[in-house]
Amino acid sequence: NAGVMQNPRHLVRRRGQEARLRCSPMKGHSHVYWYRQLPEEGLKFMVYLQKENIIDESGMPKERFSAEFPKEGPSILRIQQVVRGDSAAYFCASSPSGQGSYGYTFGSGTRLTVV
Amino acid sequence: RKEVEQDPGPFNVPEGATVAFNCTYSNSASQSFFWYRQDCRKEPKLLMSVYSSGNEDGRFTAQLNRASQYISLLIRDSKLSDSATYLCVVNKEGNSGYALNFGKGTSLLVTP
Repeated sequence: NAGVMQNPRHLVRRRGQEARLRCSPMKGHSHVYWYRQLPEEGLKFMVYLQKENIIDESGMPKERFSAEFPKEGPSILRIQQVVRGDSAAYFCASSPSGQGSYGYTFGSGTRLTVV
Repeated sequence: RKEVEQDPGPFNVPEGATVAFNCTYSNSASQSFFWYRQDCRKEPKLLMSVYSSGNEDGRFTAQLNRASQYISLLIRDSKLSDSATYLCVVNKEGNSGYALNFGKGTSLLVTP
């Protein structure tokens, strides 16, 4: 019973390139959450998605960032025209419902480095 | 005031010691509370939920004081493997609040 799967584990991009981060939720989970951890900072909520719907993107930067969770396939966090400040660890979590009562299991994350 | 505040440490303790971490949160509407553990360059892992009546899981005891908006974690008989960063986590609001607020973490180093 695989957990939350994220890939790639490490991603290096030059400034101005695009970064695509993928997250496959646990089996049976239809709710996905993305968090970002900047160096020396706590995790920050970015976006909450269900299949084909963005429920809450209040934590997403206004520009260059987008997320989707299509009917088939993994959730994608897309960062266009990356800048050095986007360098961070991006973690994805999933849950069977939208309740926050039980805590989440996170994937192993994608470490993005912008050079 | 930050949403979740923790003493960053580091706490350096010998094996077998008892150590306690504290955390305060600002949103009185929060209903769900957790301690996570994060090893260096790894994902956070849920250690335990925190309940109003206090709860224990082996060597770990968590306490919640809603009036003071204060959460604690006690680790007894510390092991070398307990060395990690401990994250205090509070949901943003209500029981349906799915978004979590993470503290920056308290670093623990258990030495032989």
